[in-house]
Amino acid sequence: AQKVTQAQTEISVVEKEDVTLDCVYETRDTTYYLFWYKQPPSGELVFLIRRNSFDEQNEISGRYSWNFQKSTSSFNFTITASQVVDSAVYFCALSDRPGGGYQKVTFGIGTKLQVIP
Amino acid sequence: DTAVSQTPKYLVTQMGNDKSIKCEQNLGHDTMYWYKQDSKKFLKIMFSYNNKELIINETVPNRFSPKSPDKAHLNLHINSLELGDSAVYFCASSQDRAPLVTDTQYFGPGTRLTVL
Repeated sequence: AQKVTQAQTEISVVEKEDVTLDCVYETRDTTYYLFWYKQPPSGELVFLIRRNSFDEQNEISGRYSWNFQKSTSSFNFTITASQVVDSAVYFCALSDRPGGGYQKVTFGIGTKLQVIP
Repeated sequence: DTAVSQTPKYLVTQMGNDKSIKCEQNLGHDTMYWYKQDSKKFLKIMFSYNNKELIINETVPNRFSPKSPDKAHLNLHINSLELGDSAVYFCASSQDRAPLVTDTQYFGPGTRLTVL
């Protein structure tokens, strides 16, 4: 069965600190996709990144970086030099195709990040 | 232009009423979804439609009935509302082009439903 675990429910950091949000997933599919979404206090869900299971290259986008390791089934997200605007709930999600059918997306419970000025 | 829109944004109603939430996407996507986010922020998929056909139907009470008049719209009708239905409901869409391709889901702004 598909499962996404975000073990950190809440994290607080002081502005300019680096912070890593953990995500561990389970799937039986060999082809799958992983996502991170940001949900700021305003409530909307903002897409951050999509990564497919065949691409283990780490990705950097400005202050954001992602570390995908199939060996440990992890897709961790690091924010460098955090800012108050980074305060949000961050969701990790897994998309696969159970039984080869249509895609199903499973979300983790989210990690609430608070950046203190 | 908003890619995925939902109406209404807020919905307050009494227990036992029937209500609908509308969703429209102008991205040309083939697949649309409804998610429920509870008070603890947990996001759970409820339904998924591909080209107006129901493809995912999670364990959801049959008081919830999705309707897809065309592939750009997926409405959610809820009968006999209960207190536990209070949540934020998100609509999403994705292209979902091929068996081994999974496209990004784009979410609507959410509808906050409060049942009194």
